[in-house]
Amino acid sequence: NAGVTQTPKFRVLKTGQSMTLLCAQDMNHEYMYWYRQDPGMGLRLIHYSVGEGTTAKGEVPDGYNVSRLKKQNFLLGLESAAPSQTSVYFCASSQTYGYTFGSGTRLTVV
Amino acid sequence: AQSVTQLGSHVSVSEGALVLLRCNYSSSVPPYLFWYVQYPNQGLQLLLKYTTGATLVKGINGFEAEFKKSETSFHLTKPSAHMSDAAEYFCAVTYILTGGGNKLTFGTGTQLKVEL
Repeated sequence: NAGVTQTPKFRVLKTGQSMTLLCAQDMNHEYMYWYRQDPGMGLRLIHYSVGEGTTAKGEVPDGYNVSRLKKQNFLLGLESAAPSQTSVYFCASSQTYGYTFGSGTRLTVV
Repeated sequence: AQSVTQLGSHVSVSEGALVLLRCNYSSSVPPYLFWYVQYPNQGLQLLLKYTTGATLVKGINGFEAEFKKSETSFHLTKPSAHMSDAAEYFCAVTYILTGGGNKLTFGTGTQLKVEL
């Protein structure tokens, strides 16, 4: 009954460091998404995947890369973190029109 | 392109009073509309959704929303607010992505405060 699991939950990075956020879903959903949430801006789509081995850019893809080597996992990478990437990151999955969200990763870049 | 406007970034009501959170959308195709709730330090939870059929949609925790095509609105209501309703609420509209899947476009959110 896990749904969508995100790791880590919190992370502090220094400018220029890299990291990978992991999203895992156990519902056999075809579609997966990465959003970022910033105050007053709602949630904005970074990248998404319509199936294993596929990825595509969303609204705000710059500075991020993704991979979906296995259907259940969707990784979000930051190659060289910048303070502008300080945000809360949410992963979601869906099969039809209902999204299931993870509990988020709070990332601070100093 | 689809977009969502939520009127009022902060709404305050008394416990027991009517809750009304406003959402207007623009969409070039028939929309699928959603309301999500986010409690502090948590992810988003689906409250209710409109896809097709009945325009008055009932959700969890006593919330409901009515799809009004003529007004391009999907306002969220609850007859009697409870302290536990204090949270941030997001309206969203979806459209189909190239290759499948669907993209939710979110409004900027409304923070609901419930006072004694």
